[in-house]
Amino acid sequence: EADIYQTPRYLVIGTGKKITLECSQTMGHDKMYWYQQDPGMELHLIHYSYGVNSTEKGDLSSESTVSRIRTEHFPLTLESARPSHTSQYLCASSDPPGLASTDTQYFGPGTRLTVL
Amino acid sequence: GESVGLHLPTLSVQEGDNSIINCAYSNSASDYFIWYKQESGKGPQFIIDIRSNMDKRQGQRVTVLLNKTVKHLSLQIAATQPGDSAVYFCADVLSRGYQKVTFGTGTKLQVIP
Repeated sequence: EADIYQTPRYLVIGTGKKITLECSQTMGHDKMYWYQQDPGMELHLIHYSYGVNSTEKGDLSSESTVSRIRTEHFPLTLESARPSHTSQYLCASSDPPGLASTDTQYFGPGTRLTVL
Repeated sequence: GESVGLHLPTLSVQEGDNSIINCAYSNSASDYFIWYKQESGKGPQFIIDIRSNMDKRQGQRVTVLLNKTVKHLSLQIAATQPGDSAVYFCADVLSRGYQKVTFGTGTKLQVIP
């Protein structure tokens, strides 16, 4: 089982608050990802990182920002939360594959965010 | 645009029977495909993957079949158990520096005891 952690697991906050969702992995993976997922729906990539000091926006436009100062840590920040940000946020990490394997992403348990 | 879609949103299966979950994809350039299982309140969990140059791969109680001619992927679960109840996502992966992973909408598998 992969060692990737997210905190908090659940968060209910009011509109306009600044929040940071934490994601940490202990596998030494270079690549990390943030996805947004509404209940029962597909995952949408919002940010990814190749490694330290590398961050890129994903396919889905997001008002969040990320940072990658350490390999194991990839926090996501919302400067001013709004009800439209209510969703589940999933963090994942992966490492370059060997010859016989694929570059599989391992997911954290997710943070369910509700903005009132 | 590119899409990965699942044929059935919900599948109900009797415990002990075999389950087959289907998936259609549109990107013929995908390098490999992954099946994920997501239980309620948890993140997706890797089940099995298959490279685009293969047509079948077997794991423990699971088999993935890939038909590139019709761009179809299936996950077969043998002797389905209550613990298999979850939402199953297929994903196609394009590896070009970083992984471009396209997830489908998911199929909910309900196992009837």
